[in-house]
Amino acid sequence: NAGVTQTPKFQVLKTGQSMTLQCAQDMNHEYMSWYRQDPGMGLRLIHYSVGAGITDQGEVPNGYNVSRSTTEDFPLRLLSAAPSQTSVYFCASSYAATASSYEQYFGPGTRLTVT
Amino acid sequence: GDSVTQMEGPVTLSEEAFLTINCTYTATGYPSLFWYVQYPGEGLQLLLKATKADDKGSNKGFEATYRKETTSFHLEKGSVQVSDSAVYFCALSANTGNQFYFGTGTSLTVIP
Repeated sequence: NAGVTQTPKFQVLKTGQSMTLQCAQDMNHEYMSWYRQDPGMGLRLIHYSVGAGITDQGEVPNGYNVSRSTTEDFPLRLLSAAPSQTSVYFCASSYAATASSYEQYFGPGTRLTVT
Repeated sequence: GDSVTQMEGPVTLSEEAFLTINCTYTATGYPSLFWYVQYPGEGLQLLLKATKADDKGSNKGFEATYRKETTSFHLEKGSVQVSDSAVYFCALSANTGNQFYFGTGTSLTVIP
């Protein structure tokens, strides 16, 4: 299994440009999430999905869109990049390890710089 | 709401020193608790977990015990190595769903 994969690893955008960060998992996990990691702030949830066709907003959704057309893929779209979106983005997938406990697995991250 | 508070770093230790990184949580119900480790330039990896009170999670010499009475899940290792240098995140998952909450991370540097 490749686990959770993300592309690209690095990206530089100009303010106002749009782009899509790709995320895929091959573990057949129902749940997928996007986080951003900023210094001193830990991980903040952007959007998440509980299954194909179902998405919801997390803590910091503004400026980002997601869709989940398949179980495997969960792309994150930046509509009009802003310098405040300079961050490291992590995709994660998770599953119910027991009836009351989930486990989450992370991709390697995409480092985005917006100038 | 649910949250995790984690000891701030950075932490610098000499090789073979004892490590403790404090983590406390706020949650309704009975969450599952996790420690993740992030090596430079990589994603987060699950280090250990505990799913109920008094459970001890352990892996690679690291341990953490789920203490409901003190709402804590402190990470410990008896003898750290240079290769343990990384950022450590405490996290919880409310067992009513798939939402995970992370602490801000503690950077550990181990010097020879």
